[in-house]
Amino acid sequence: DAGITQSPRHKVTETGTPVTLRCHQTENHRYMYWYRQDPGHGLRLIHYSYGVKDTDKGEVSDGYSVSRSKTEDFLLTLESATSSQTSVYFCASRDTNTEAFFGQGTRLTVV
Amino acid sequence: KQEVTQIPAALSVPEGENLVLNCSFTDSAIYNLQWFRQDPGKGLTSLLLIQSSQREQTSGRLNASLDKSSGRSTLYIAASQPGDSATYLCAVRPGSGNTGKLIFGQGTTLQVKP
Repeated sequence: DAGITQSPRHKVTETGTPVTLRCHQTENHRYMYWYRQDPGHGLRLIHYSYGVKDTDKGEVSDGYSVSRSKTEDFLLTLESATSSQTSVYFCASRDTNTEAFFGQGTRLTVV
Repeated sequence: KQEVTQIPAALSVPEGENLVLNCSFTDSAIYNLQWFRQDPGKGLTSLLLIQSSQREQTSGRLNASLDKSSGRSTLYIAASQPGDSATYLCAVRPGSGNTGKLIFGQGTTLQVKP
């Protein structure tokens, strides 16, 4: 499998605080993604990137921002965490026309 | 807007059965389709990627087929084993509009009973 790691793996934070999740890949993949997975909703795309500094919104982007200053890193920021953002977050990467690989996920709890 | 559906949501079979998981998509303009496996509490593991020009891909006991014109893909699992128990997801990469996205179905949760 591709080298893709997420940090932290678990986090508990308070409502209203900013939170940043990190995704790091070592495959020089062009595309990177952030999804959230919730019971009954499956995997929903938050944001994705198609190159350094090139990002686009997914279907559930409100309350989230992303940045990609290097090919290998894709950061997801919750600007002011809310309880509705309690979820499992997955990062993925792929190259042009190749299969996508996923990280192991970050379990975020907002209290 | 591309939508991906997987039916059934859950499936339980006895060990040794051959089974088929279904994935349907509303827009036939796709670049490729990928099947994943997810074990409880884990990330997604890629199983098979089918490009739009291909009709099927095989890996061990797994065979995935693609019929773009009808908007369908199937994942065939031969001689199922308890270790195959997991959630299986399909994802499509649209071939028109915003082509960078990966759009997922909600998955089929498979239980193989010993």
